[in-house]
Amino acid sequence: ETGVTQTPRHLVMGMTNKKSLKCEQHLGHNAMYWYKQSAKKPLELMFVYSLEERVENNSVPSRFSPECPNSSHLFLHLHTLQPEDSALYLCASSQGLGLNYEQYFGPGTRLTVT
Amino acid sequence: QKEVEQNSGPLSVPEGAIASLNCTYSDRGSQSFFWYRQYSGKSPELIMSIYSNGDKEDGRFTAQLNKASQYVSLLIRDSQPSDSATYLCAVLTGGGNKLTFGTGTQLKVEL
Repeated sequence: ETGVTQTPRHLVMGMTNKKSLKCEQHLGHNAMYWYKQSAKKPLELMFVYSLEERVENNSVPSRFSPECPNSSHLFLHLHTLQPEDSALYLCASSQGLGLNYEQYFGPGTRLTVT
Repeated sequence: QKEVEQNSGPLSVPEGAIASLNCTYSDRGSQSFFWYRQYSGKSPELIMSIYSNGDKEDGRFTAQLNKASQYVSLLIRDSQPSDSATYLCAVLTGGGNKLTFGTGTQLKVEL
């Protein structure tokens, strides 16, 4: 596998379920990100990790819980979600943090909360 | 005022024409700027980055940056139907940790 991969690609869950999204990057990068993309809205940054340390938490509700066990893997744990959380969840990675580091996106997980 | 503004379109251009996509941003301290292409149902794909004033060319794509006017644009020469997509402007802010996106401009290249 190359680039940034995400699993599952599609997920339907009820409001009482617990599920996890997985992201893996094969680029040797040190920073990883979670974004949310809802219809008609700009991509919203959720979390930023650099060398497994969380450096940005963009006022995200606690029902979203990120985990970064190493620089290649990033998880987003989901519990008691709301229908408005239905969206495309995108993972990205970059070589580092700061200026001039380009971010590369995975294919995304299309989440539907019923 | 939105942090990054783009005209949502759709912008329609005939095949072979030049498509011009524009973006303005509010944070005067921003220093890194990116253009992503997103096909329907797919994830964003990085096509250009620009960090200094002026033009940067890569194949059929030219990015233009004017920091004084807080304006960045993307020109696509010899537009092809395969260029039909939504183009996202992104600006690195927050000390370099936060990439802020516009809502995107939908481009349609017509035969």
